[in-house]
Parts: sequence; C-alpha cells; structure tokens
Amino acid sequence: KQEVTQIPAALSVPEGENLVLNCSFTDSAIYNLQWFRQDPGKGLTSLLLIQSSQREQTSGRLNASLDKSSGRSTLYIAASQPGDSATYLCAVNSYSGAGSYQLTFGKGTKLSVIP
Amino acid sequence: SQTIHQWPATLVQPVGSPLSLECTVEGTSNPNLYWYRQAAGRGLQLLFYSVGIGQISSEVPQNLSASRPQDRQFILSSKKLLLSDSGFYLCAWGVGDNQPQHFGDGTRLSIL
Repeated sequence: KQEVTQIPAALSVPEGENLVLNCSFTDSAIYNLQWFRQDPGKGLTSLLLIQSSQREQTSGRLNASLDKSSGRSTLYIAASQPGDSATYLCAVNSYSGAGSYQLTFGKGTKLSVIP
Repeated sequence: SQTIHQWPATLVQPVGSPLSLECTVEGTSNPNLYWYRQAAGRGLQLLFYSVGIGQISSEVPQNLSASRPQDRQFILSSKKLLLSDSGFYLCAWGVGDNQPQHFGDGTRLSIL
C-alpha cells in the first residue's frame, strides 16, 4: 500500500527566502506525482504534475523534482512571498489494482511566509 | 474553460439525518469524477470515483454512497449520518490518469 510522507509538517520563513518542501513515498512504481496548494477552508489548486519519466517541472517561481528510485520529490519555491502562505500537498498517482490508478496524499506542509 | 461547483459550502446536520452533497462540472465531457474526505490531522482519503454515468467504485467501506445520474453530476449521499462523518468533503474531476485532478471548493460538514 502506497504511503506518502511530507516533512516538515509546518514551516515559517521570512519573505524573500528560498525554501524546499519534501515528499517521500514508499512504492516507487508510480505513474506521476502532483503538487497542490490548499488555502484555509478551500479546495486544492494544482501546481505541478511530474510524469514518472520526468525529473523536474517548473512553473514560475516553483520547481518540482522527482527521484522515483529513491521515492522522493521536492518542491522548491524561490523568493517566497506572503501570498505563498498555504498548505502544500504532495500526491502520488499509482496503480491500486482492479484496473485503476489512485492519488495517495501526504498530510501536507503548512507554510507561513512572514513579511 | 472548465469549472467545478460544489454545494453547499457548509452544512451542520444532526446524527442520524440524511445527507446529499452535489458536485457539477462544466466545460468538459465524460470526466472522471472523485469524492474525497479530509479529516482533521489526516490526509485526503478517496471515497468514491466514477469513470462514467452509473459507474461508481467505492474505496472505503462506510455508510456513504455515491451516484452519477448525469455525465457531469456527482452526488454523495447518506441515509443516516454518524459523528465520524464530520469532515471536509471535496469533489474533483480529471480527464485521465496522466492529467492533473482539479478540485472544487469543498463542503465543510459538521455532525452534532
């Protein structure tokens, strides 16, 4: 059974810092990995999706990397801003049996960027 | 562009009462549809998914059920709510396993 762990659970940084969020998963046989952002009381916003054959994806100040063999992904945020404050969720898409793929989510990292 | 709507945004229900949460998607055809629950201190848990009208797969045994009466409509129901059904319920849609899932704004369900 796939398990996803995110470390740290919470992170507080001053504005302007670069930061890295970590995600690890137990089964390396994944289809893809997705990073989401969740604002308080809201749904999830998709940030980046990395296919299993890719090593990284970039969108603006965000860069996500994937090392499938070691079961790890990182989300790098450059020049953090107060508007980046949110919970960041990592989700791994892997085969669940019975002909279907499923997303398994970590519990998230709550990021606070201090002005 | 595609949009997803969930309602209501918040709901307070007594134990033993019925439940109906609705989710609709616009701007796409034959999407995969998903119901997740996010409980305090826990990750998102997939409850149901559907690849087409009338096709429902359940991932977690519980007193909830799901239905897909139309291509872009997904409904989560219960005949009798339990205290443990409290949580944040999220609907999502996708067009394939290699594409991102897109989420609604969720329904906060509190059981008294």
